[in-house]
This record gives sequence, structure tokens and C-alpha cells, in this order.
Amino acid sequence: NAGVTQTPKFRILKIGQSMTLQCTQDMNHNYMYWYRQDPGMGLKLIYYSVGAGITDKGEVPNGYNVSRSTTEDFPLRLELAAPSQTSVYFCASDGARLGTEAFFGQGTRLTVV
Amino acid sequence: QKEVEQNSGPLSVPEGAIASLNCTYSDRGSQSFFWYRQYSGKSPELIMFIYSNGDKEDGRFTAQLNKASQYVSLLIRDSQPSDSATYLCAVKGGSYIPTFGRGTSLIVHP
Repeated sequence: NAGVTQTPKFRILKIGQSMTLQCTQDMNHNYMYWYRQDPGMGLKLIYYSVGAGITDKGEVPNGYNVSRSTTEDFPLRLELAAPSQTSVYFCASDGARLGTEAFFGQGTRLTVV
Repeated sequence: QKEVEQNSGPLSVPEGAIASLNCTYSDRGSQSFFWYRQYSGKSPELIMFIYSNGDKEDGRFTAQLNKASQYVSLLIRDSQPSDSATYLCAVKGGSYIPTFGRGTSLIVHP
């Protein structure tokens, strides 16, 4: 059981470039999230999805886009990368009950230069 | 806006001592509370969760919840150097979407 798989693990982008962070889960979870984590800070919610075809903005959505065409996949798109997007990105999925935990991917360390 | 507050630390305790980590939250509608551990360069992993007032024990870990004071804590007994990590508090309400605190860095020194 792979859980949440996130790729790539590391990436360096030049300012203005675009990229997609891939995330897939095999636990049949309806809820999926994208967080970013800056040094010394907690997890900030970028976008979330409560099911295939349904996405919504979180706390820090500017500069990002998402889609959810299947239950398994929840890619995050960065358009026109900026240095402020240098961060560690985590994808997570959740069974969407009060007592269920979020399962995290291994993270993507992104540097924009 | 829902807020979850944690002291960023670092909290330094000697090996064998009790480490006490604290978390407060702003949304009175919050219903379940989670503690995650995150080692440097790794992703968060669940330690335990609690949703009823009082204490919940799991091995060396005890979570304490006081909804009236909007306060949740994590006690780690017999702290070990391997417990050195950042501990993230997370809170869920009716939306089922967890809100995370900034985390407390714990250092257990031999």
C-alpha cells in the first residue's frame, strides 16, 4: 500500500517558469490537500478538494492552480514561478471524518531562482 | 479565520524528563485534535488524536484536551533523543479540513 505518492522530490525553477507537482493516493480518500511549509512555519493550505471535480481555495492560493479529475490524483500547477514560491510542498489525503488523520506525501522541495 | 497557536520553541529537555507541548485554538466549533511529529526533512506523521475532554494515553504519550479553555497539550514521558523533532498541532471542525499550528521544536539532550 503506497499511500500518498508525490513527485518530484526536488526541483529548481527559474523565475517565470511553470511546473506541475504530481500527487496520487491509493486509499480512496475523497479529501485531498496541498500545503506549503516555509522554514519555522506551519503548514499553510493552498488548495483542497473534497472529491473528483470539486476544488476550492485555501489560505494561500495565489500563483497556484489545481484540478481533480479522478479520486486518486490531485496535481498542483505553478504558473510563472516567483521566488516567494520557494518552499516545501506537501500533498495529503484524508478520510474526511473527525477522527481520521491526514496522510502526507514525502514532500517536494522547490527552489525558484 | 481559524487559528491554531503553538510556541515555536525550541523546547529543550534532558533525556528521561517529561516534555510538555501546548496548543491553543480559536474556533470553538473545533471537534477533533491531532498531534503530528515531523523529523527534519520528512513529512508529518500522526502521533495521536483526541476529541473528548480529558486525557488520552498511548504508551509514553498523553494528549490532554480542555475545550472550555480551547487548549490541547501533548506530554511525552521518559523523553528520548529520538523524540527530537517538530510537533505540529492540528484541529478539525465541521469542514473536516485540518488547520495546523506552526509547530514546536523539541530537543531532547542526553
